Amino acid sequence: DTAVSQTPKYLVTQMGNDKSIKCEQNLGHDTMYWYKQDSKKFLKIMFSYNNKELIINETVPNRFSPKSPDKAHLNLHINSLELGDSAVYFCASSPAVSNQPQHFGDGTRLSIL
Amino acid sequence: TQLLEQSPQFLSIQEGENLTVYCNSSSVFSSLQWYRQEPGEGPVLLVTVVTGGEVKKLKRLTFQFGDARKDSSLHITAAQPGDTGLYLCAGPLGQFYFGTGTSLTVIP
Repeated sequence: DTAVSQTPKYLVTQMGNDKSIKCEQNLGHDTMYWYKQDSKKFLKIMFSYNNKELIINETVPNRFSPKSPDKAHLNLHINSLELGDSAVYFCASSPAVSNQPQHFGDGTRLSIL
Repeated sequence: TQLLEQSPQFLSIQEGENLTVYCNSSSVFSSLQWYRQEPGEGPVLLVTVVTGGEVKKLKRLTFQFGDARKDSSLHITAAQPGDTGLYLCAGPLGQFYFGTGTSLTVIP
């Protein structure tokens, strides 16, 4: 069984559109994350949720809005997509906050035309 | 400048060679983790080091945490093509930070 699954795996869309990426974990973890990996493979945290509550919100444009309907799900909605949003977005989860090991999904490759 | 700097950024070696990857910071970390990421997949945890000076072995991989807990190294003995991937160090400092990454290619 896949531990952290995110959909879709690939997303190709036009500039200005709105899109969502879904993430689900079946590990029973309390904390979930969204990361952005750029073309240089640098992985940077965007958001962190603990038990459905936002605990980390890095300097991310407010066009990005995470939503956690329950602690097993963390979705990412992006409004008015821009060329610079092209990247691979990873969802991850961990048992708790801080130094716990993180389990990652396989990523969503977002390409803006 | 990133909080966790890795070197080298790229490494291409022949099968059977040894190599070392470094992860350095000016900040003290309570722990550091090493992940390996293969193309089209998310990072997968290899090891967590917690105590300054700690050495952990995972088959042909040896991980060391610096005495001052500001740096770590990953040594691979007799590299194999299956070791090919992006190696990332990471650690918590308020939030979780990942290193700049080392892309390793092992040529058969």
